[in-house]
Amino acid sequence: QVQLVESGGAVVQPGGSLKLSCVASGFTFSNYGIHWVRQAPGKGLEWVAFIRYDGSDKYYADSVKDRFSISRDNSKNTVYLQMNSLRGDDTAVFYCARDGGPYFYYYYMDVWGEGTTVAVS
Amino acid sequence: SYVLTQPPSVSVAPGQTASISCGGNKIGSKSVHWYQQKPGQAPVLVVYDDSDRPSGIPERFSGSNSENTATLTISRVEAGDEADYYCQVWHSSDHRYVFGTGTKVTVL
Repeated sequence: QVQLVESGGAVVQPGGSLKLSCVASGFTFSNYGIHWVRQAPGKGLEWVAFIRYDGSDKYYADSVKDRFSISRDNSKNTVYLQMNSLRGDDTAVFYCARDGGPYFYYYYMDVWGEGTTVAVS
Repeated sequence: SYVLTQPPSVSVAPGQTASISCGGNKIGSKSVHWYQQKPGQAPVLVVYDDSDRPSGIPERFSGSNSENTATLTISRVEAGDEADYYCQVWHSSDHRYVFGTGTKVTVL
């Protein structure tokens, strides 16, 4: 079945770095854009970043721009989120999510992973 | 930046209809998407492009969008519909994805 599985979450000190991974299965990964969305404890959803199916376009929320970097390896069905200069307000569950359709922009997320937890303390 | 405002909470009796609003400047000109999130679980897409439902989502979930307000309507509410609901749009001017503030639906 269509599935996304995140990993890499950990406890990290302020100013530290962490790299999250999102492994896909059950669909043609190389045809789909992938988002990262986070949720701070007790708070709402916040979009973090998006990478196009071929990696040609990347977009970031203002809150993470210049600190986070999204990338993908289509040969490994994996998207990464490199997080640098981490701060306390980056503490959250990070979800990866598939864009709504292949190749083009669909502007919504139709499949979500279960999330991985990042704690900055 | 673009802001989407939702009521913090909505309460509804089983079998009745719940309406969740999502307010934004000229939101009627955008496509609105809705997600359901139950405690401890990942979000699930329940409506996309204002009023379309993904496969597997009951017809009880419907959406509309006009002028400055989009609405998610849940008909014949069931206990299993108790969850947080988020609206979401794409803001074209800076290619950002914006989520609403979220609404907790309580089934009485």
